[in-house]
Amino acid sequence: SYVLTQPPSVSVAPGQTATITCGGNQIGSRRVHWFQQKPGQAPMIVIYYDSDRPSGIPERFSGSNSGNTATLTISRVEAGDEADYYCQVWDNSSDLYWVFGGGTKLTVL
Amino acid sequence: QVQLRESGPGLVKPSETLSLTCTVSGGSVSRGSYYWSWIRQPPGKGLEWIGSIYYTGSTNYNPSLKSRVTISADTSKNQFSLKLNSVTAADTAMYYCARVDKVGAPFDYWGQGTLVPVSS
Repeated sequence: SYVLTQPPSVSVAPGQTATITCGGNQIGSRRVHWFQQKPGQAPMIVIYYDSDRPSGIPERFSGSNSGNTATLTISRVEAGDEADYYCQVWDNSSDLYWVFGGGTKLTVL
Repeated sequence: QVQLRESGPGLVKPSETLSLTCTVSGGSVSRGSYYWSWIRQPPGKGLEWIGSIYYTGSTNYNPSLKSRVTISADTSKNQFSLKLNSVTAADTAMYYCARVDKVGAPFDYWGQGTLVPVSS
């Protein structure tokens, strides 16, 4: 089965740039989605299809995907960005199913 | 606006069957190209896809849970359901229902989740 690897935690000061990676074998050939989950809430999509942003998500959120790494970048980080972030892909290499990364806790210092 | 709401018993005993229902409003479980899905999250841990049912009624399950999971739909009530049998404490989790509007797309609508402890 396909495995997505994320760093458990990332810390950044307010106003700086946070970079959260999602590693997977040739992930650049897949379409990656990113979810934000705040405590007590359901996950919410912040980036889909590698780099598209839903309406209502600030332009500070961006995504890229190439080779074996997909990246979520949050510019000018704010306290309200503190949350868990999950990458996700659809995998049909063996069967039809959806895969999540292990999640990254973003801490705003 | 599509809305999903999970419902079910608040506690399940070990070895019994966990049963949850997701009621959909603002959309139909029997039309479109949608996959209606269940996802769970153990306390303090990450997200795990459990399985999905296509609007045609075909299903796909996480291989790690496939032997214990059944997902079905009741089109007359616009609901879809999850049954997970032979549960253990490891199945204690927040259970979410969610929608994918086509293969490869993200989960775009989620329920608020329901916590299901497994305990005697």
